[in-house]
Amino acid sequence: AQSVTQPDIHITVSEGASLELRCNYSYGATPYLFWYVQSPGQGLQLLLKYFSGDTLVQGIKGFEAEFKRSQSSFNLRKPSVHWSDAAEYFCAVGPTQGAQKLVFGQGTRLTINP
Amino acid sequence: GAVVSQHPSWVICKSGTSVKIECRSLDFQATTMFWYRQFPKQSLMLMATSNEGSKATYEQGVEKDKFLINHASLTLSTLTVTSAHPEDSSFYICSAHNDRAYEQYFGPGTRLTVT
Repeated sequence: AQSVTQPDIHITVSEGASLELRCNYSYGATPYLFWYVQSPGQGLQLLLKYFSGDTLVQGIKGFEAEFKRSQSSFNLRKPSVHWSDAAEYFCAVGPTQGAQKLVFGQGTRLTINP
Repeated sequence: GAVVSQHPSWVICKSGTSVKIECRSLDFQATTMFWYRQFPKQSLMLMATSNEGSKATYEQGVEKDKFLINHASLTLSTLTVTSAHPEDSSFYICSAHNDRAYEQYFGPGTRLTVT
């Protein structure tokens, strides 16, 4: 069965500190991997995605993620967080063909301390 | 960039009434749209896949007679919550699959409150 696990429900970091959000997946085939961000009461914005090629993917807002097939992981990182990064972050997997029926993780809520 | 709109952004209705939520892809065609439901502080749960010109495909446990989906054009899908009850109160989010770019774009969501 397809599943996505985000082990950390809530993370608090200080502004300017580095960030890593974890994501592990279970998928029967090579997946399409995504990270989305959701601000309170808003829809989802795509941060980055991975399908193939370089396993280190650069996204918007200074985020990057690394695909590690051996660990079935796709962790999101940012070297220095800003107060505006406080939001809910969702990891998702989908098929590489056809319409993207995505499976989402539980989400990680990020709080930034000033 | 590609934009998906939802209307209304929030709605309050009385128990027993029906509510229609629209999802539009503004600058691209979407053969497939998806409807999600999100409870407070929880993840998105896929409700159904909306296919233009054909019947929607519902996920297990989702009542198709309660959540009516119509995808009459390549830019519009509607979700109608029929005979709404307080337990239907939730945040409903749609997404549209851009056929050309193989990309999925999310709408801003609709907050439904049933009193």
